Amino acid sequence: GAVVSQHPSWVICKSGTSVKIECRSLDFQATTMFWYRQFPKQSLMLMATSNEGSKATYEQGVEKDKFLINHASLTLSTLTVTSAHPEDSSFYICSATPLESHEQYFGPGTRLTVT
Amino acid sequence: QKEVEQNSGPLSVPEGAIASLNCTYSDRGSQSFFWYRQYSGKSPELIMFIYSNGDKEDGRFTAQLNKASQYVSLLIRDSQPSDSATYLCAVRNTPLVFGKGTRLSVIA
Repeated sequence: GAVVSQHPSWVICKSGTSVKIECRSLDFQATTMFWYRQFPKQSLMLMATSNEGSKATYEQGVEKDKFLINHASLTLSTLTVTSAHPEDSSFYICSATPLESHEQYFGPGTRLTVT
Repeated sequence: QKEVEQNSGPLSVPEGAIASLNCTYSDRGSQSFFWYRQYSGKSPELIMFIYSNGDKEDGRFTAQLNKASQYVSLLIRDSQPSDSATYLCAVRNTPLVFGKGTRLSVIA
């Protein structure tokens, strides 16, 4: 149980284009999902907390107009990287917490390369 | 600011030995504690969680929590080369607060 999927697992896009990443909780419902970014050999960095039916809460320094988050249902959150730049190339990971639970489960991650 | 501290390592142990990973946290009100394993290039995987003082065992893994001293540890018995990874300690807030991780290397 407690499986989180992400799609795509990797994506290459050109500078200036937008990329959408989906995060789904497959066997549980989650009112809250989280989006992280991780650069090589660095720690996880929380980007935003996504709440179903409401606006996401962004961490300091994360541009909300560049990283658009939509949490349309209890099992789906999306992250759209708009006007991508090469410095946005990173490993993007979502996580979710089942209702009435404290545990946080991670998706397999999406590796984004912007050329 | 709520902080979670871990020794970055690397921690090297021979195959078959016990690996001991430690973590301290600053928020005395924290109630839930988690250990994640992250292989290079992969996302974190939850391996243990503990909510009460004392020990919690799951297979080769034992989590230990001491709220008075504000530390949580993870013991890995009979360490295998496949245990070589970065281990992340996390403390429950919303969201989780992660340590920077300890890199474990099990040498065959």
